[in-house]
Amino acid sequence: AQTVTQSQPEMSVQEAETVTLSCTYDTSESDYYLFWYKQPPSRQMILVIRQEAYKQQNATENRFSVNFQKAAKSFSLKISDSQLGDAAMYFCAYRAGGTSYGKLTFGQGTILTVHP
Amino acid sequence: EAQVTQNPRYLITVTGKKLTVTCSQNMNHEYMSWYRQDPGLGLRQIYYSMNVEVTDKGDVPEGYKVSRKEKRNFPLILESPSPNQTSLYFCASSLNSGGGETQYFGPGTRLLVL
Repeated sequence: AQTVTQSQPEMSVQEAETVTLSCTYDTSESDYYLFWYKQPPSRQMILVIRQEAYKQQNATENRFSVNFQKAAKSFSLKISDSQLGDAAMYFCAYRAGGTSYGKLTFGQGTILTVHP
Repeated sequence: EAQVTQNPRYLITVTGKKLTVTCSQNMNHEYMSWYRQDPGLGLRQIYYSMNVEVTDKGDVPEGYKVSRKEKRNFPLILESPSPNQTSLYFCASSLNSGGGETQYFGPGTRLLVL
């Protein structure tokens, strides 16, 4: 079974600084997708960024980028120029490719605090 | 506006009193799923549906039922709720079950079972 682990229950960063959230996963599949979701205090789940395992290039979305290390099964999220609105719970998630059962497997979450 | 809606958003009930949480999507998605979120455990899948009349268990199905009679609706039924079902529940949908398809989440339903 696939597992996703976020080893940092909490992280903090100063406004305008950079922070990296860690995620590791375990799978025997070769075709899969990885995601980072943001959950602000409203509890809404917001997709931040996604990475296809077959792509070597790391995904980037504005201030958000990932460091995808396939061999190490590591998928970290880097937030540059942190803003107060980035404060939230962040979840790393895995989904097998092909015609899988479609399940997203989530990590435990990391609470990010942004200090002004 | 493309969205997934859930009702109610907040619910307090007592042990054993049957309840239904509704979920509806307006994106003509085939795949729908229910998750529960608990502290320290992230989100875990309860049930999923590949299409109308096709449902199956996820990782934590005990105590829950679902049905998919229409493509847009996927209600979650707790026939005899217990305190260990106190949780935050999310409905999600995607175009299909393909791994690359983005799952869209509803706003969540916070359930307290006394």
